[in-house]
Amino acid sequence: AQTVTQSQPEMSVQEAETVTLSCTYDTSESNYYLFWYKQPPSRQMILVIRQEAYKQQNATENRFSVNFQKAAKSFSLKISDSQLGDTAMYFCALTALQKLVFGQGTRLTINP
Amino acid sequence: EAGVTQFPSHSVIEKGQTVTLRCDPISGHDNLYWYRRVMGKEIKFLLHFVKESKQDESGMPNNRFLAERTGGTYSTLKVQPAELEDSGVYFCASSQEHTVVDEQFFGPGTRLTVL
Repeated sequence: AQTVTQSQPEMSVQEAETVTLSCTYDTSESNYYLFWYKQPPSRQMILVIRQEAYKQQNATENRFSVNFQKAAKSFSLKISDSQLGDTAMYFCALTALQKLVFGQGTRLTINP
Repeated sequence: EAGVTQFPSHSVIEKGQTVTLRCDPISGHDNLYWYRRVMGKEIKFLLHFVKESKQDESGMPNNRFLAERTGGTYSTLKVQPAELEDSGVYFCASSQEHTVVDEQFFGPGTRLTVL
């Protein structure tokens, strides 16, 4: 069975600060992929960043980057220079067989 | 290009009634997924269509849930009869390719409340 755990139900930071969201996972698959999805208030969920497990290099997308620690089964998301528009629910997800397995989500609020 | 759309956005029904949710995937996407988030918990997979065929329905909670995708286009998810524990947000997603890494595009969700 695959599981994803997000231990931070809520986080709040000031605009322009850097914030890190935690995610741990468990899977018996050797080939899998990890994702961070973002759901802004009253809006659709969108993909923020993804990481292939076989790649050692951490994925980056502009202000978003991940710290992928395969041995520790950890996949944290770092948001640099946070903006008001980053306020959203963030979901960590894992897939090995097409269907996504999600964590419980972290509600992130960026304060002006 | 239109995104994934879902109808209705909200539905409030009484226990024992029937509700049908609809999902229109992005045009040309063969893969269609249904997920559900019960209040405060994680989003859980329900099932996966490839065109009109059910590829994986391991997440369907019980036989009160029936999903269809006639003609491989839009999909419906019917709950009959609805129970209190069916309340939650039902998400639909679609993807184009038949690979693990392909991005799934999500709809806005249907919030179902069973009273």
